[in-house]
Amino acid sequence: GNSVTQMEGPVTLSEEAFLTINCTYTATGYPSLFWYVQYPGEGLQLLLKATKADDKGSNKGFEATYRKETTSFHLEKGSVQVSDSAVYFCALSDPTGANSKLTFGKGITLSVRP
Amino acid sequence: DTGVSQDPRHKITKRGQNVTFRCDPISEHNHLYWYRQTLGQGPEFLTYFQNEAQLEKSRLLSDRFSAERPKGSFSTLEIQRTEQGDSAMYLCASSLLTYGYTFGSGTRLTVV
Repeated sequence: GNSVTQMEGPVTLSEEAFLTINCTYTATGYPSLFWYVQYPGEGLQLLLKATKADDKGSNKGFEATYRKETTSFHLEKGSVQVSDSAVYFCALSDPTGANSKLTFGKGITLSVRP
Repeated sequence: DTGVSQDPRHKITKRGQNVTFRCDPISEHNHLYWYRQTLGQGPEFLTYFQNEAQLEKSRLLSDRFSAERPKGSFSTLEIQRTEQGDSAMYLCASSLLTYGYTFGSGTRLTVV
């Protein structure tokens, strides 16, 4: 079945540090890939997405590239801010189903200190 | 467009009681999803509606769980005879296309 594996957390960084959060997936076919963010007390928000191999999703300074050869979708940001502190989830949509249900990783908590 | 609303935000119930949660999707969204999120885990798919039709249910949705979406508008998720293992955040999401979800803030259920 489909699965998403995220690196173990939590991650603590200083402001302006470089961020990489690893995500790999297993799926049949060609899924769409997503990063969602959950700020404290809020619902999940779509951060970025990529729908085919070599696509790069980007938003708010975050980027992730769909790498089919390594089945990865690592999230990067060049300079994190305190306001980026949140839980980040990698997810894929079922490429075989008609309803695009999402399979999520466990999530990783990012804390950015001033 | 006020987003996806879920009610209540928090629910504490005694083991064995029934609970019902409500989700109001974005008005023109015909796709609606329920997910469950336990502590330290990502959300897990429970069920999917297209308009009023429930088209898919996860094996996670035991016979104590039932979901409805009458008239293709709001949806309810009922859990009968709650167990401590049902304690989780229950998330609702809606979309106009089959991806591009908007999630609600969730209902946190605690079974004591």
